Amino acid sequence: QQPVQSPQAVILREGEDAVINCSSSKALYSVHWYRQKHGEAPVFLMILLKGGEQKGHDKISASFNEKKQQSSLYLTASQLSYSGTYFCGTEIAGTGKLIFGQGTTLQVKP
Amino acid sequence: NAGVMQNPRHLVRRRGQEARLRCSPMKGHSHVYWYRQLPEEGLKFMVYLQKENIIDESGMPKERFSAEFPKEGPSILRIQQVVRGDSAAYFCASSPTVADTQYFGPGTRLLVL
Repeated sequence: QQPVQSPQAVILREGEDAVINCSSSKALYSVHWYRQKHGEAPVFLMILLKGGEQKGHDKISASFNEKKQQSSLYLTASQLSYSGTYFCGTEIAGTGKLIFGQGTTLQVKP
Repeated sequence: NAGVMQNPRHLVRRRGQEARLRCSPMKGHSHVYWYRQLPEEGLKFMVYLQKENIIDESGMPKERFSAEFPKEGPSILRIQQVVRGDSAAYFCASSPTVADTQYFGPGTRLLVL
């Protein structure tokens, strides 16, 4: 039931791009993306609802393919501040309960 | 507009003691969720509450753990007779409606000696 994230870890240089994928074996109502820095709380990035949404702000965007039960997070021209662990949280319709993937650790180097 | 508040931020207990973790949701939010994060692991859903009601407790261990969200006051996660395996970060999140954005509090880091 837990969604699978890939890759598990990424190392980038500043300015490079990254894609983080999240796949579920169950039909999804929504996908929520968070970033967590070590020892801190998860910070909300964006929520995508079923219907094939694509969203973005600044240099971070995401897509949700309902049919494939997949979501992808796109990080463009990465900055040092993007370092952290990224989690996707998936929700089955109406439950409110988020099931999180195992996380993808992103390290951006100067 | 204050965010989700949790206290205490750090809690140390000896085996067999009780732990009480508090969560005050964001203003205007009536939905509260508790998640547990073991060291170097992901977030695991525990329980979802709305004022005075437990909506989904499918992630709560059957024994020693309980949660409440009274009409007045914060939501409380209570762990009785703690064991070393309970050591973890416990996060609370809140949302204004179900299936909406969940905003996380700073967490309570519980250490059981």
